[in-house]
Amino acid sequence: DQQVKQNSPSLSVQEGRISILNCDYTNSMFDYFLWYKKYPAEGPTFLISISSIKDKNEDGRFTVFLNKSAKHLSLHIVPSQPGDSAVYFCANTLQGAQKLVFGQGTRLTINP
Amino acid sequence: GAGVSQSPRYKVAKRGQDVALRCDPISGHVSLFWYQQALGQGPEFLTYFQNEAQLDKSGLPSDRFFAERPEGSVSTLKIQRTQQEDSAVYLCASSHLDPGETQYFGPGTRLLVL
Repeated sequence: DQQVKQNSPSLSVQEGRISILNCDYTNSMFDYFLWYKKYPAEGPTFLISISSIKDKNEDGRFTVFLNKSAKHLSLHIVPSQPGDSAVYFCANTLQGAQKLVFGQGTRLTINP
Repeated sequence: GAGVSQSPRYKVAKRGQDVALRCDPISGHVSLFWYQQALGQGPEFLTYFQNEAQLDKSGLPSDRFFAERPEGSVSTLKIQRTQQEDSAVYLCASSHLDPGETQYFGPGTRLLVL
């Protein structure tokens, strides 16, 4: 039972354009949503988060959107830079719990 | 500053061998987590410690997996009688206590069971 799904295993975007990564979830009890970025041979690094009471959070080039009715989360990166090439994981937490439930990841490649 | 460190970074074990994986969390972090990441998948929760207390071990796949954090800092994940399906990257993360606090991950230990 995959509670968090990232249906695109990979995405290729031209440098300077917008990258949009998507994530769907099934459990309406999730109350906190996060994006992590992972480079090869490193652990995931926290990128940005949003709580269930909001629908948008912005931090520099990164914006996360939450659509609770659709149970859908997205990450927008604009403009995309070569250093953004990595695997991106969405992760959620359940109310009262700290453990993260991760999606399968999307490999983002930014082409010069 | 010092982040989460894990050792060894790579471990090759023969099937049936016992292994021990170490995690040094960020100093002062109360919460410590272990995750297992299979190839091409996202990390999956194994177990959670608050100081020395193991509050959640619901993700441990079998009784061959055992974790401890006896003094509330360093943690060890032990896998007994390793099987090929145990091959994965084992990630440790630490954080402050409050829900929603950012979890900081170590680089992981890549375990290969032959």
